[in-house]
Amino acid sequence: EADIYQTPRYLVIGTGKKITLECSQTMGHDKMYWYQQDPGMELHLIHYSYGVNSTEKGDLSSESTVSRIRTEHFPLTLESARPSHTSQYLCASSPAGYSYNEQFFGPGTRLTVL
Amino acid sequence: SQKIEQNSEALNIQEGKTATLTCNYTNYSPAYLQWYRQDPGRGPVFLLLIRENEKEKRKERLKVTFDTTLKQSLFHITASQPADSATYLCARTNRDDKIIFGKGTRLHILP
Repeated sequence: EADIYQTPRYLVIGTGKKITLECSQTMGHDKMYWYQQDPGMELHLIHYSYGVNSTEKGDLSSESTVSRIRTEHFPLTLESARPSHTSQYLCASSPAGYSYNEQFFGPGTRLTVL
Repeated sequence: SQKIEQNSEALNIQEGKTATLTCNYTNYSPAYLQWYRQDPGRGPVFLLLIRENEKEKRKERLKVTFDTTLKQSLFHITASQPADSATYLCARTNRDDKIIFGKGTRLHILP
């Protein structure tokens, strides 16, 4: 089991609320990622970070924002949740370096926006 | 655009037989292909990685092949067990370090 944690595991929230999904890893990995996955569909990269104070948007446009103030912590924030944000959000990390890009995933947060 | 295509239909295999899953990619050859296992409600778990200059990789009952001519990777589970039932994801890693995942193939091992 990888040492990467996500909280909460499940979240049901009303439209318009601000939410933060937490992701922490204890492996000292420089690279961290956020993916969005709908049932039966592929993972879509929405944000990534290659180190502290580094954040980039992924291939899938997202209204969420991320921050990377500490190596181990990579929270994702939605300022105003909408039903279209309902999905599974997966956080992952990997060691630095081009030649070794295995990703370690957290258990995911299942978000439902009513 | 670069894509990873996996058979979206579920694959049913009798216990003890070899399960073979297919991953096809488009455009240029990726630097690596990776295979992950995902159980319902969980995050994917890394299984194997194969580089473009490798033909085959093995790990216990698992074997992965990489055919750059066919633009295809095959993932084999030998002596399959019901505990192998899961969704298996193929992912390409490009030279720019980006990873693109396929939708995965659901595998059911029947006792």
